[in-house]
Amino acid sequence: AQRVTQPEKLLSVFKGAPVELKCNYSYSGSPELFWYVQYSRQRLQLLLRHISRESIKGFTADLNKGETSFHLKKPFAQEEDSAMYYCALSPYNQGGKLIFGQGTELSVKP
Amino acid sequence: EAGVAQSPRYKIIEKRQSVAFWCNPISGHATLYWYQQILGQGPKLLIQFQNNGVVDDSQLPKDRFSAERLKGVDSTLKIQPAKLEDSAVYLCASRAQGTYEQYFGPGTRLTVT
Repeated sequence: AQRVTQPEKLLSVFKGAPVELKCNYSYSGSPELFWYVQYSRQRLQLLLRHISRESIKGFTADLNKGETSFHLKKPFAQEEDSAMYYCALSPYNQGGKLIFGQGTELSVKP
Repeated sequence: EAGVAQSPRYKIIEKRQSVAFWCNPISGHATLYWYQQILGQGPKLLIQFQNNGVVDDSQLPKDRFSAERLKGVDSTLKIQPAKLEDSAVYLCASRAQGTYEQYFGPGTRLTVT
């Protein structure tokens, strides 16, 4: 079965603290994985893609095929990082459709 | 570049009524997706179009939901008759050929009473 699991519904940290949003997936093959973010009153938008291996807004995510995980990390959280974060999997050769996790709400307190 | 447009933004109907949502993707984007997002869950794909053809509608409840993209540009999603469990945000997204990023619209929030 193709599935994405985000175990935390809410993650609350203080400004300057490290952040790790967990994502585990179930997929028999080589997945394409993404993190999408939705800031308050804004549209869902792409944050980063595992293949690009970029750091976007200070966030990084590493694909660990052994643990089937794709955790999102940032060393020092900022208040503007507060948002809903969704991990998503795109199955190979299925037109780019996305299978989303349940989402994690990140709240960064001053 | 104009983003994905959706209307209406909000809709309240009674169960057993019908409703239609409209989506206009980013110009030139061949692929269009409709997702359903129930409160507290992530978006779930309902149907995917490539130009005016259906690529994947495996999770579309076809007894009550229908969608079309007749000219390969804008799309409509219809529910008839609506049930209480259809209360959700309906998201439209589009993607350009040969790229990976999906661009989402603002969504239509449907409440079925």
